[in-house]
Parts: sequence; C-alpha cells; structure tokens
Amino acid sequence: QIELVQSGAEVRKPGASVKVSCQTSGYIFSNYAIAWLRQAPGQGPEWMGWISGHNTNTNYAQKFRGRIIMTTDTSTSTAYMELRSLRSDDTAVYYCARDLSGSYYFGYWFDPWGQGTLVTVSS
Amino acid sequence: DIVMTQTPLSLSVTPGQPASISCKSSQSLLHGDGKTYLYWYLQKPGQSPQLLIYEVYKQLSGVPDRFSGSGSGTDFTLEISRVEAEDVGVYYCMQSKQLPVTFGGGTKVEIK
Repeated sequence: QIELVQSGAEVRKPGASVKVSCQTSGYIFSNYAIAWLRQAPGQGPEWMGWISGHNTNTNYAQKFRGRIIMTTDTSTSTAYMELRSLRSDDTAVYYCARDLSGSYYFGYWFDPWGQGTLVTVSS
Repeated sequence: DIVMTQTPLSLSVTPGQPASISCKSSQSLLHGDGKTYLYWYLQKPGQSPQLLIYEVYKQLSGVPDRFSGSGSGTDFTLEISRVEAEDVGVYYCMQSKQLPVTFGGGTKVEIK
C-alpha cells in the first residue's frame, strides 16, 4: 500500500534549522508531487509548499519564502523539507502528503499524509 | 488569501443520527476550468488528516457512502447520514482554487 514515513521528532533552539524527511513507498515517486503542511497545537493544517516528484520545481507559500527549502532524492523516493531561522511559533507537527492534482499552480489535493513530525522550538 | 469558515465549531451526535457541517469560502471556488476545488478531510484523534471528499462531492475510494458532499460557489456542506462511533474527530474543509491552499478552522464531532 502507499505509505509516507517521516523522520522522528526534533527539538531546536530559536534561530536554528530543521530538516524533516519523508520516505515514500507503494507508488511511482516521480508521478506525483509532494506537499508539506504543518499543524500548530489546536489549529487546522497550514500549507507550506509543494515540490514536483520528477523535477526540481517548487512552489512555496509566500509566508515561508526565504527560509524554506524543499528537495527530493528520486533514487530513494524521499522528500525533504528544511526550515531555517526557527521561531517559537514554528512549533508544530509537520506533515508531508502526496499531491494527486498533477497541477503546478492550483487544484492540489492530498492523499495520503505521513504520520507527522513534531518540531519543538524552545530556548 | 481565501478564508474558509466552518460551522459549527463542535457537534455532539447520537449514533445513527445524521450530522451536517457547513463550510463557506470568502471567494467562489469555481475555477475557470469548470471544476470546484473544495475538499473535506477527517482527522481522527491522534492521527493524520485523511481525505474523504474531493471536488465538492466526489468520494475517495474506500470512504463509506454515509459521507456526502454538496454545494457550489462559496457554500458547501458535508453530511454524515448516520453517524458511527468511528466518525469522531475533527473535520476540515480545504480549498485549492487559489494559492495558498487554505483550510477551515475545523469542526469537532463527538458521540453522545
């Protein structure tokens, strides 16, 4: 079956960076993009951006541009999300999800999601 | 950004009874390609969100047919015809007509 397995929980100090991985299986990685979303405690999900599964095209939410980098390793069917200059309000569960849309600019929809990675930012 | 507003915030339902969740968007979700980019997710306790409905009313394979979606333009509804214990969790609507993708604040469904 299709699975997205994320790396484990992380704790960082303000100003540091974090890199979360998302290893996929059960489908052809290059056929679908990967989205990254996060969910702060008690909040709904927030879309962070999108990366193509077959080239290096990315589409980042304006809010994160300049401090987010999404990459993929097609040899291992793994996606990565690095967030820099962390602040306390970046504390959240971070999710990767397969994007089923086949589109670049709109129409994204996500299924399935990874299990989530808790990132805690605290001094 | 398109703002998604869900009501009610929470719902307590007797098993076997129906439930209805409303989602309103600040702009029409009808795209020029003729599709309406409105989705429904359920986040069960301690789990990741799971997709229930795509493009307003289309059911993902494997989703029980007691879940149905309807609506158009800016007003949408998710209905559960007969709530079961396994339906507890937080339901979110999501739009992707325009970036950034945005979600509603969620509706928590509990069993009486």
